[in-house]
Amino acid sequence: GAGVSQSPSNKVTEKGKDVELRCDPISGHTALYWYRQRLGQGLEFLIYFQGNSAPDKSGLPSDRFSAERTGESVSTLTIQRTQQEDSAVYLCASSPEWASQSYEQYFGPGTRLTVT
Amino acid sequence: GESVGLHLPTLSVQEGDNSIINCAYSNSASDYFIWYKQESGKGPQFIIDIRSNMDKRQGQRVTVLLNKTVKHLSLQIAATQPGDSAVYFCAEDESNSGYSTLTFGKGTMLLVSP
Repeated sequence: GAGVSQSPSNKVTEKGKDVELRCDPISGHTALYWYRQRLGQGLEFLIYFQGNSAPDKSGLPSDRFSAERTGESVSTLTIQRTQQEDSAVYLCASSPEWASQSYEQYFGPGTRLTVT
Repeated sequence: GESVGLHLPTLSVQEGDNSIINCAYSNSASDYFIWYKQESGKGPQFIIDIRSNMDKRQGQRVTVLLNKTVKHLSLQIAATQPGDSAVYFCAEDESNSGYSTLTFGKGTMLLVSP
């Protein structure tokens, strides 16, 4: 079946502009995660959505970052007034309900954001 | 300025060799661990997982070893192939908040020469 998809695959923006990144999780997956990966680094947790529960926003680095999810489907990550330090690959992952046997998270290909 | 994170630990092996990638995790309360493989330009891909009540788990050509005493995790790849070249991340999950919360290591780059 279809995996996690993200769009756009690449985004170049000028410093100070807002950007919106999109994630389509695997159908039926109730959990959705956003991560940031800087060049040569590991994954930095940003935000988590689980069903209709309040999202865990503990990883968002500043109030310029926000995310929304409609039910158990598409999510958008918005970065306002982008800074050069925001340049990174933004990865989205989804997983089945926590009570299932596996906690495996399925990742999309990422959006490479470059702020000039 | 400081060059941060541009020099991943790298393991270079010959095709056919066995590879061992190591990872130290931080939280003794973590009860689930995953190894991910990330090829250039792609998202991480699940390889193998292990729960804290186990010390070894085998998959196809891969074995994960867990040493809770020293908080150490390793990934062994048998008969390494050029297609195994990628960055490998370990991730730990505390799972004490009712949902999966993976904390990722910085990664090790595996380079396999034909």
